[in-house]
This record gives sequence, C-alpha cells and structure tokens, in this order.
Amino acid sequence: DTGVSQDPRHKITKRGQNVTFRCDPISEHNRLYWYRQTLGQGPEFLTYFQNEAQLEKSRLLSDRFSAERPKGSFSTLEIQRTEQGDSAMYLCASRSQINYGYTFGSGTRLTVV
Amino acid sequence: GQQLNQSPQSMFIQEGEDVSMNCTSSSIFNTWLWYKQDPGEGPVLLIALYKAGELTSNGRLTAQFGITRKDSFLNISASIPSDVGIYFCAGHNAGNMLTFGGGTRLMVKT
Repeated sequence: DTGVSQDPRHKITKRGQNVTFRCDPISEHNRLYWYRQTLGQGPEFLTYFQNEAQLEKSRLLSDRFSAERPKGSFSTLEIQRTEQGDSAMYLCASRSQINYGYTFGSGTRLTVV
Repeated sequence: GQQLNQSPQSMFIQEGEDVSMNCTSSSIFNTWLWYKQDPGEGPVLLIALYKAGELTSNGRLTAQFGITRKDSFLNISASIPSDVGIYFCAGHNAGNMLTFGGGTRLMVKT
C-alpha cells in the first residue's frame, strides 16, 4: 500500500475556472476526509465520507465546492468559479473505522491567479 | 467553535537540546494526535493518544494526554537537524473530524 495519493500536486488556474482534485485513500480505509490549509495555519476540516456517503460538511464548504466518492474508493473535490481566496493546500486523509490515526496525502497546492 | 492553542508558535533550538511544546483546548477531546509537516507535504502522524493521562513514546518523541482531556504536550529529546518542521496537535471527538492547532515551527541551529 502506497498510502494516500493526491493528484495533481500543484495546480495553477485563472480566476473563474473550475478545478477538480482527486484523492485515492488507503484501500482498506472506509473513511475519507478533505481539509484545506492556508499558509501559516493548521488544516481546517471541509468534508467527510464514510464509504460513499458524504456525512458531514463544514460551513467552509461553499456552494462552489462539491465532493464525491462514487464507489466508496477514490474521491474528487471540485471547485467551480475559483476565486483568489481559494488558493490553499487541499489535503485528503483517510482512516479505518477503529483507528483514529488519520493518514494524510501530500496535498494539492492550488494557486488562483 | 472548538479551538486548539499551541505554544510556542516558533522556536529556535541548538542541536542536541530537548524541546517541549504544548496544546490546550477549550473543549474536551477523546483522542489527541501529534503530526509533523515538512514544507510542501502533508502532515505525518507521530503519536496518537487515546486515554486521559496516557504517556506514549516514539523514539525521541514523548507525548502525554492531559488528565482534564483539554491539553497535551510533546517533547523531543536530543534534537537533530531533521526535526525541523511544523508540529501540529490535533484533537478528535465524536464529531468525526480532527481539529488542528495553529502549529509550532521548529528551527534548529546547527
């Protein structure tokens, strides 16, 4: 198992464009999380999936953001009509049902210009 | 909402020195986790604490889960250059999410 994989590692986009990020969790982990981290801050929770069900969403997740985990395996996070304030590192994490040791991916660094 | 306060925010230490950092919360957590993050990478789990009062070691790292369940500390003994990075505490409760502190940036003088 290679851990949690995120793609792409870096994305530069023009304001107003849509972007989509992918996360492949550890295969036996049924819980998947998306976090956002801005410079100098700790990660902030965005949303959480248990298998394919999206069970919780943060108020940070505006209606321009949508996340899916269609088959309970990989997940995608889409940001529509990007704004400069969306520039951040987007982190994905997964864990098993019984272990609270969340494993994080290397993140996708988004820069909106 | 819940907030975790980490201190110090940053510190310079001499190689070989011991380091101590802590994390306090206004709310109770059932699990405390400590992560290290290198530039451009995701956080990597160092130590997980599951019981109030628990003291756990991982090599040169030692962490404790406070009795009140509102605080935790992390000690690093005999620091080395590769200890440089940002250390985050994180608390987990029944809300099914991790809440992170603001981080302690560790810089080592060689």
